[in-house]
Amino acid sequence: DAKTTQPPSMDCAEGRAANLPCNHSTISGNEYVYWYRQIHSQGPQYIIHGLKNNETNEMASLIITEDRKSSTLILPHATLRDTAVYYCIVRVTGTASKLTFGTGTRLQVTL
Amino acid sequence: DGGITQSPKYLFRKEGQNVTLSCEQNLNHDAMYWYRQDPGQGLRLIYYSQIVNDFQKGDIAEGYSVSREKKESFPLTVTSAQKNPTAFYLCASSIRGVWGTEAFFGQGTRLTVV
Repeated sequence: DAKTTQPPSMDCAEGRAANLPCNHSTISGNEYVYWYRQIHSQGPQYIIHGLKNNETNEMASLIITEDRKSSTLILPHATLRDTAVYYCIVRVTGTASKLTFGTGTRLQVTL
Repeated sequence: DGGITQSPKYLFRKEGQNVTLSCEQNLNHDAMYWYRQDPGQGLRLIYYSQIVNDFQKGDIAEGYSVSREKKESFPLTVTSAQKNPTAFYLCASSIRGVWGTEAFFGQGTRLTVV
């Protein structure tokens, strides 16, 4: 699985958009980009994933660059409950693949 | 409701004792995973299993053992050989053979060895 690079921490004001970047310059053509988040002392929660097209669901939007070497998770209107560690992962699914996490970005949403 | 259950939530053991952490899922997922998380750290993969009666070592398998006798269950044993067993342990499951599907996580077991 390709390695990802994320900033260790970010701040965002409540009500504003939170844009979390992720670099995955060695991503392969059959690897998906996944985002999970982990609120303190809980299990990680799936947010969104994509292959090459931008994706949106009720939680967030995922923007993947055309060369697929980086992506951005967008929380359109951050709330205090969005304070968590956000993990960007790239992996091949549908095979016997590992699911490997890095250290993520700690997002702090403030009043 | 379908989900993945880890038990117990908190576990205390004396040094030198083996301890087994439970992970059960009713999602009909083929793949299951065990992770370890230390304070301020990301998740590190201990073991994973893609099908019943088969499992592979992850990045930090030393001092741990697993079994996969049933599709629903993937217990993790922390042996006395694990030098620093105190940690937060997370179990996950996912569908195998389907592209682009997410993994589901349990709520974790916090193990403290004294």
